[in-house]
Amino acid sequence: DAGITQSPRHKVTETGTPVTLRCHQTENHRYMYWYRQDPGHGLRLIHYSYGVKDTDKGEVSDGYSVSRSKTEDFLLTLESATSSQTSVYFCAIMDNLLSGNTIYFGEGSWLTVV
Amino acid sequence: AQTVTQSQPEMSVQEAETVTLSCTYDTSESDYYLFWYKQPPSRQMILVIRQEAYKQQNATENRFSVNFQKAAKSFSLKISDSQLGDAAMYFCAYRSPGNNNDMRFGAGTRLTVKP
Repeated sequence: DAGITQSPRHKVTETGTPVTLRCHQTENHRYMYWYRQDPGHGLRLIHYSYGVKDTDKGEVSDGYSVSRSKTEDFLLTLESATSSQTSVYFCAIMDNLLSGNTIYFGEGSWLTVV
Repeated sequence: AQTVTQSQPEMSVQEAETVTLSCTYDTSESDYYLFWYKQPPSRQMILVIRQEAYKQQNATENRFSVNFQKAAKSFSLKISDSQLGDAAMYFCAYRSPGNNNDMRFGAGTRLTVKP
């Protein structure tokens, strides 16, 4: 258990509305990530963070923003949700010390944009 | 950019038998990490096994083992004594140790276990 909690776990929203997904970790990991999973694509990186207020873009960052004001929380925001953002979103952390830079995932957040 | 290819979209195995899932990757780096993740119907991503490229010995975790062929850039997963609970999507993944911002995933292999 990597101590990662995602909320909400399931959400249905309308096109054009803002949505924020929250990732909370309890073990003080420096690196946090947001991925999306779509059929045929595996997981693709949206944004990542390497410290408080330190974030950068990943492979599929268009339409998403992130914030990390505290070590334990990493927020993913869809400013104006579109149907193409219907997906399963995974938060992840990297454990540098105990498991050789292994990435561990949260349980996922199912987002449907109608 | 590194790419990871899983050429088998679906595989099936009889319970108690052995199955091997294939994974190849493309990289110009000499040092990196390779992983296999399992994703059951719950969609939780569960780490199965990891391999450091500098280690010649193949990693093993109970019934799960890998065949790491660095020159061929191949990283297959062998599941022995397959159990019904092994049924899941399996993802192969690559990460560079010098690049903390990304892990590249294959598209996945869906494993069915027949009783």
